[in-house]
Amino acid sequence: AQSVTQLDSHVSVSEGTPVLLRCNYSSSYSPSLFWYVQHPNKGLQLLLKYTSAATLVKGINGFEAEFKKSETSFHLTKPSAHMSDAAEYFCVGSGNTDKLIFGTGTRLQVFP
Amino acid sequence: DTEVTQTPKHLVMGMTNKKSLKCEQHMGHRAMYWYKQKAKKPPELMFVYSYEKLSINESVPSRFSPECPNSSLLNLHLHALQPEDSALYLCASSQEGRTPSRTTEAFFGQGTRLTVV
Repeated sequence: AQSVTQLDSHVSVSEGTPVLLRCNYSSSYSPSLFWYVQHPNKGLQLLLKYTSAATLVKGINGFEAEFKKSETSFHLTKPSAHMSDAAEYFCVGSGNTDKLIFGTGTRLQVFP
Repeated sequence: DTEVTQTPKHLVMGMTNKKSLKCEQHMGHRAMYWYKQKAKKPPELMFVYSYEKLSINESVPSRFSPECPNSSLLNLHLHALQPEDSALYLCASSQEGRTPSRTTEAFFGQGTRLTVV
């Protein structure tokens, strides 16, 4: 992807309710797209990746994302939020270079 | 083993000190990266090594000097840093993925929290 836009800087949900984190991309070729999670003062952990094999991608910890070419979107969802999901989430694109293209991040807060 | 190991986890250094950050991976990856991350911001790419050769330098000041002794190790040598260089420094690795149809994910270490005083 040549650019990645995360539409929300901050999302708050109650525990047990669905999570939606939004990501749009722009690319002149078929991109690879990833979602990473970062807990405070930790490294980035890969949640899931899209590399053109299937448009609905399932990841770890119950997360999934759907690649929609017509909408240039790759939104991250989870049916039921858990307190441990509170973290920073990055949508990341990659193309035919060694560079990853990061979105600005979405902070997810989960309230009991 | 899908782990990237960074040492130390925390580092406090004075502006006249020389220190090094270390990164190691045993996944056979041929691309390794240094990123700098400030609070509440995404990681910013500093350097990329591909097949042990420096392939990308994002105009990083010379007080940061990368080194790739072999395909498993990546160092970042620090000298005469400024307080604004305080940040989380992340190392990552990935399979060499230059072809458009095969770009794989990067695996990140836990980072080194650097404080320059």
